[in-house]
Amino acid sequence: AQKITQTQPGMFVQEKEAVTLDCTYDTSDPSYGLFWYKQPSSGEMIFLIYQGSYDQQNATEGRYSLNFQKARKSANLVISASQLGDSAMYFCAMREAPYTGGFKTIFGAGTRLFVKA
Amino acid sequence: DAGVIQSPRHEVTEMGQEVTLRCKPISGHDYLFWYRQTMMRGLELLIYFNNNVPIDDSGMPEDRFSAKMPNASFSTLKIQPSEPRDSAVYFCASSLQGAGKDTEAFFGQGTRLTVV
Repeated sequence: AQKITQTQPGMFVQEKEAVTLDCTYDTSDPSYGLFWYKQPSSGEMIFLIYQGSYDQQNATEGRYSLNFQKARKSANLVISASQLGDSAMYFCAMREAPYTGGFKTIFGAGTRLFVKA
Repeated sequence: DAGVIQSPRHEVTEMGQEVTLRCKPISGHDYLFWYRQTMMRGLELLIYFNNNVPIDDSGMPEDRFSAKMPNASFSTLKIQPSEPRDSAVYFCASSLQGAGKDTEAFFGQGTRLTVV
């Protein structure tokens, strides 16, 4: 079963507008972390934002915010005032403690964002 | 710290040859992950280590794949024999312990493997 689901393979947004990238997750671990990463065409993975499962408030980092709805198991990324440089692949990730031990970080399939001038 | 360092950045090899990918994690990180990225399958977790000990290798596709971490500053992913379907970008990442703040995975630049 998919543990991280990103249902939008591709998204378009007009420059300067806001965009929401969807992410739902599945875990039975009460303590987990949620992350978003950006992968531009150059290929590197860039960490954007973190949300802890016990955090009461939604995380924000500059133009990025995470809309965390724990009961729905969703962790959507909101990018405000989109810029051309935001065009990239975006991955949602979850870190949990599986029964096999330790902590592991797994990723969704990603959403490719295109920002139009 | 220079970040996670992977080598080589690019590797082209012939089918049947042995390929070894190398990774130096960030000093002080407890976890090391190997991921494979392809268009078809996305970013797959192959194996991860905690304090140099392999914890879960269930993502390793076949017995042709093996990974080691002989010490805290070095890990290898080996494919023997390589096949064209192994062509992908292989990422190494490291992180601190836990699932709280500051436990994000730091990625290397990746190794682009092409098996012809």
